[in-house]
Amino acid sequence: EPEVTQTPSHQVTQMGQEVILRCVPISNHLYFYWYRQILGQKVEFLVSFYNNEISEKSEIFDDQFSVERPDGSNFTLKIRSTKLEDSAMYFCASGLAEYNNNEQFFGPGTRLTVL
Amino acid sequence: GDSVTQMEGPVTLSEEAFLTINCTYTATGYPSLFWYVQYPGEGLQLLLKATKADDKGSNKGFEATYRKETTSFHLEKGSVQVSDSAVYFCALRGYQKVTFGIGTKLQVIP
Repeated sequence: EPEVTQTPSHQVTQMGQEVILRCVPISNHLYFYWYRQILGQKVEFLVSFYNNEISEKSEIFDDQFSVERPDGSNFTLKIRSTKLEDSAMYFCASGLAEYNNNEQFFGPGTRLTVL
Repeated sequence: GDSVTQMEGPVTLSEEAFLTINCTYTATGYPSLFWYVQYPGEGLQLLLKATKADDKGSNKGFEATYRKETTSFHLEKGSVQVSDSAVYFCALRGYQKVTFGIGTKLQVIP
């Protein structure tokens, strides 16, 4: 069964460093998403991406964040200068369509630890 | 905006006990509703979903019914097992994004 994959599973970085989190969505999906979950808190939407551009973003997704689909398979989240409060589990998701009855498939997550 | 409220845990039950996790929502339009499960150290897995009023989603013995009149989507299971120990997230999807509840940790003891 096709699945969303994410690398690395755990990333440790120093405050102020740039990190890139990588995702490979399901191959025929067209809509891509990033969410994050700070430890012990709920999962929060960051950004959605379609047709090579951001279609929606949350207040969390400020200028420190960017997303890219550099080729036909990868979808990346870049944090330009990490802060301690960026420590969280980051989930990538993909879906076939934007309509609400279409499921989003989530990857296993990347745990980001900022020291 | 959209929001999901679910009971906070942890919920501790004995094996074979009946489970209810309450979930209510606020949304514009006609969202789809979901329950996701997160096992320790793992990602989010879709447990069940319902896309319109009065639909019942079911999977692995879990059930939830989309109640538009009470804006609820309570999760139930008749007889829980130790392997059901996990965090359960109620969620809704309107346009584009999924909005999650805070998650309810379930611990089932033998």
